[in-house]
Amino acid sequence: GAVVSQHPSWVICKSGTSVKIECRSLDFQATTMFWYRQFPKQSLMLMATSNEGSKATYEQGVEKDKFLINHASLTLSTLTVTSAHPEDSSFYICSARSDRNYGYTFGSGTRLTVV
Amino acid sequence: EDKVVQSPLSLVVHEGDTVTLNCSYEVTNFRSLLWYKQEKKAPTFLFMLTSSGIEKKSGRLSSILDKKELFSILNITATQTGDSAVYLCAVVRRDDKIIFGKGTRLHILP
Repeated sequence: GAVVSQHPSWVICKSGTSVKIECRSLDFQATTMFWYRQFPKQSLMLMATSNEGSKATYEQGVEKDKFLINHASLTLSTLTVTSAHPEDSSFYICSARSDRNYGYTFGSGTRLTVV
Repeated sequence: EDKVVQSPLSLVVHEGDTVTLNCSYEVTNFRSLLWYKQEKKAPTFLFMLTSSGIEKKSGRLSSILDKKELFSILNITATQTGDSAVYLCAVVRRDDKIIFGKGTRLHILP
């Protein structure tokens, strides 16, 4: 089946530093990947849609300069949280659509804590 | 504005009970509806529904979609403590955008 690997699983960083989160589709090519953010006891909120070889499409209210998305290949998308602040602490999840079955597979998520 | 509304928000039942979770939606350019189970980490896929009236089944879980009335239900029979989780409903638009509901938090008492 379609597998999406997300790394790291959790990260603690100091305020002001940048953190990169990787999302890889292991056994399929993902022309489109999605990045979500989830606060405790809340649902997933779409942050941006990442398309291979082109600029990401950000949802309203998401700062594109703060959350840099790069989708350089058909199997890898990265989200970089720049100049992180404590309010950026959250659970970040990526998902990718497999063209094989139109299913959406999620990565295992990254819990970011900014101190 | 597109929206996906799940009910109830929270549910506590005893092991062995049957539960029905609801998901209604108002989404332009609907393509499919997805159900996920989320425990401590990322959601795990349960069902994808695209056609009305066709029940999808996996063990004790089943789901059906009504595209005329714009809703779906997820049934869990003979519940077990391992079914305790947040169940997320999501609608996929034709442009691939996914809109999630807030989820139903299900807790099964032993």
